[in-house]
Amino acid sequence: ETGVTQSPTHLIKTRGQQVTLRCSSQSGHNTVSWYQQALGQGPQFIFQYYREEENGRGNFPPRFSGLQFPNYSSELNVNALELDDSALYLCASSGQTSGEETQYFGPGTRLLVL
Amino acid sequence: QKEVEQNSGPLSVPEGAIASLNCTYSDRGSQSFFWYRQYSGKSPELIMFIYSNGDKEDGRFTAQLNKASQYVSLLIRDSQPSDSATYLCAVTNQAGTALIFGKGTTLSVSS
Repeated sequence: ETGVTQSPTHLIKTRGQQVTLRCSSQSGHNTVSWYQQALGQGPQFIFQYYREEENGRGNFPPRFSGLQFPNYSSELNVNALELDDSALYLCASSGQTSGEETQYFGPGTRLLVL
Repeated sequence: QKEVEQNSGPLSVPEGAIASLNCTYSDRGSQSFFWYRQYSGKSPELIMFIYSNGDKEDGRFTAQLNKASQYVSLLIRDSQPSDSATYLCAVTNQAGTALIFGKGTTLSVSS
């Protein structure tokens, strides 16, 4: 267990709806990254939050947005859901390991868009 | 587009054998390299990280890095059926913020 938690575990939405996914980082970690993993693919980087600011963003449209709170927990919001948004959404928190950032993943939220 | 390439497999080895998993990456600016294991329906679990050229050993696992060839590998000695999973290679982007993943190699260890 990494100490990273995510909620909910599973979610079913319909096209056009909005969804909010939540993540609590591992104790002592101040950085949270979000990834999307489609079936049979590797995770794709959505964005990273460091001390409540966006610290990098992947190739995802603006309808994917996020927040980080003072306790370093984070939310991923997706507006105007599309069928292709169906995927496993992974949150990873970062800490210092031998001076480098190592990302530890939570259990994920599986989103199905109908 | 920065890429990480892995042979998708499946790679099949008998119990007790050595499994060799390979990965190449395109961004010469990548500084950190990771191997994650992912069981079906689960999230990725960190196995190894390596930052310097050469070998790094941890139990039955050895990671090898060659930055000149832009090549990372993972050796699993004395493979066990419980090692059957998808192995994801990941490298950091130049900013060090994102992990860029390959599609993963599926390993099957038969008893």
